[in-house]
Amino acid sequence: GQQLNQSPQSMFIQEGEDVSMNCTSSSIFNTWLWYKQDPGEGPVLLIALYKAGELTSNGRLTAQFGITRKDSFLNISASIPSDVGIYFCAGQGGSGYALNFGKGTSLLVTP
Amino acid sequence: DTGVSQNPRHKITKRGQNVTFRCDPISEHNRLYWYRQTLGQGPEFLTYFQNEAQLEKSRLLSDRFSAERPKGSFSTLEIQRTEQGDSAMYLCASSPGASYGYTFGSGTRLTVV
Repeated sequence: GQQLNQSPQSMFIQEGEDVSMNCTSSSIFNTWLWYKQDPGEGPVLLIALYKAGELTSNGRLTAQFGITRKDSFLNISASIPSDVGIYFCAGQGGSGYALNFGKGTSLLVTP
Repeated sequence: DTGVSQNPRHKITKRGQNVTFRCDPISEHNRLYWYRQTLGQGPEFLTYFQNEAQLEKSRLLSDRFSAERPKGSFSTLEIQRTEQGDSAMYLCASSPGASYGYTFGSGTRLTVV
């Protein structure tokens, strides 16, 4: 499958700061998804984006589906210690299709 | 039904042995997926079932790997003649009919020694 380019690879921030991470692909996707994974657990879906240009929020999380359909970003506002984990972007070509994941952004939040 | 269940959570095996993992999806989900994740990487697609039919297989799924979903409910993933390179987290996920994104299980971590 297509490998997505996710950046930054890691972030080390203080509690209360805002965070931004993004994902790019050489291929077009019909859906962009953002997952969070805690150590030893499976990824948990945070936000799903279905349309180019779409901006969607889930609490302190906001994500956008790029106009070109080849990129997406995720913002976390006012970070808290429980935001620690690895965040993955994933592109999906269509309903039920395989997901193509990025390599993840590791987020560390200090109190 | 509290989610996708995978067993065992951890498996340590000697090189050359066969191993089998089980996945119980969310009961109303007809689609089931297997992914593999190695350290520092995102999950990589292995195979996909719709009900009992295996519809897609990745080139990552060598002939030592076989997956089944005999009654369209739980699924098993078997690895024969394990190699050290098979050490990874094996993730199962499920989704209802025509929907995007999946629900993942907690995974089975395989260590081949």
